[in-house]
Amino acid sequence: NAGVTQTPKFQVLKTGQSMTLQCAQDMNHEYMSWYRQDPGMGLRLIHYSVGAGITDQGEVPNGYNVSRSTTEDFPLRLLSAAPSQTSVYFCASSYSSGEQYFGPGTRLTVT
Amino acid sequence: GQQVMQIPQYQHVQEGEDFTTYCNSSTTLSNIQWYKQRPGGHPVFLIQLVKSGEVKKQKRLTFQFGEAKKNSSLHITATQTTDVGTYFCAGPWVSGAQKLVFGQGTRLTINP
Repeated sequence: NAGVTQTPKFQVLKTGQSMTLQCAQDMNHEYMSWYRQDPGMGLRLIHYSVGAGITDQGEVPNGYNVSRSTTEDFPLRLLSAAPSQTSVYFCASSYSSGEQYFGPGTRLTVT
Repeated sequence: GQQVMQIPQYQHVQEGEDFTTYCNSSTTLSNIQWYKQRPGGHPVFLIQLVKSGEVKKQKRLTFQFGEAKKNSSLHITATQTTDVGTYFCAGPWVSGAQKLVFGQGTRLTINP
């Protein structure tokens, strides 16, 4: 099993550009989440899904869109990138037990 | 909104010394999870505590969940250089939900 995979590993965007961060899992987990990690602030939940076709907002959803058309994939879209979105982004998946499996992360810089 | 506070933010110890990080929630938690993140890596699940007053051990790591289920601690006995990293606690946003709120983390560095 590959677990949780994320692409790309690194990305540099200019302000105003849009892009999609990809996340896939092969563990048949129902739950998937996107977090951003900034220095000194831990991990903050952006968006969340409890299954295909169902998504919900987290703490910091503004500027981000998600969709969940399949169990395996949960892409995160940045609509119009801003320097405040410079961060490390982690995707995670879990069963209902709560233990989260994290992907390796995407380091995004917006200039 | 719900907050999970973690202290200290940083801790530097000599190898062989003990280390403790504390986690406090503004609300009662149905469970609490602990994660470890190595430098440059991703968070890795360590343990989940569910019961009031629960204590669990993993080799040199001891995890406790408070009686009121609003606080938790992670204690490492006789630290080793492999313990370096940031330790996070996390609790459900609302009871039973899979949305987690994370503490800010405690970054542990060790002098060999």
